Amino acid sequence: NAGVTQTPKFQVLKTGQSMTLQCAQDMNHNSMYWYRQDPGMGLRLIYYSASEGTTDKGEVPNGYNVSRLNKREFSLRLESAAPSQTSVYFCASRAGEWETQYFGPGTRLLVL
Amino acid sequence: ELKVEQNPLFLSMQEGKNYTIYCNYSTTSDRLYWYRQDPGKSLESLFVLLSNGAVKQEGRLMASLDTKARLSTLHITAAVHDLSATYFCAVVFQWSGGSNYKLTFGKGTLLTVNP
Repeated sequence: NAGVTQTPKFQVLKTGQSMTLQCAQDMNHNSMYWYRQDPGMGLRLIYYSASEGTTDKGEVPNGYNVSRLNKREFSLRLESAAPSQTSVYFCASRAGEWETQYFGPGTRLLVL
Repeated sequence: ELKVEQNPLFLSMQEGKNYTIYCNYSTTSDRLYWYRQDPGKSLESLFVLLSNGAVKQEGRLMASLDTKARLSTLHITAAVHDLSATYFCAVVFQWSGGSNYKLTFGKGTLLTVNP
């Protein structure tokens, strides 16, 4: 049981490049989340998926798109990376309403 | 808009001392989480506080929730170096019809325990 996994662990992009961050969970959870963490800012929600086939915007969705590919996988795409998107990105999942969110190991992204 | 404020943001303690981290939030909520994050690592769930007056304890950490005051505390007893980490509180906020919820995080408290 690997929990929540994320790939890649590190990535360097140039401004304007695109990339997809992958997230998968093997806990059969319904809901999945993408957060970004910036120094002194805590975690901010980018997008959320309550169940397979549904997605919803969070607090800071601009510049991102998501896909809930199936129950296990939830990807985050940067279509045209900007330096302001330099951050650590965490994926999380939870089983049901009111349950604890479990976090993946994070992806460290640097946009030059 | 839900706001979550933690204080202090930085805390340097000596081993063996006691201290409390505070988490205030601005909107009614009856569920609050505490997470721990070690440098360069992910977030680890510490406590889930489900109702007013809830108290949870794990080792040298004790968390409580006062929903009327919109306040949670994380108390550290006889600190040891291994407790050095960043601690986040996160408050549940319901949206999108009630069956969904999101967590709003505080900015975190960086705790350093010195020998």
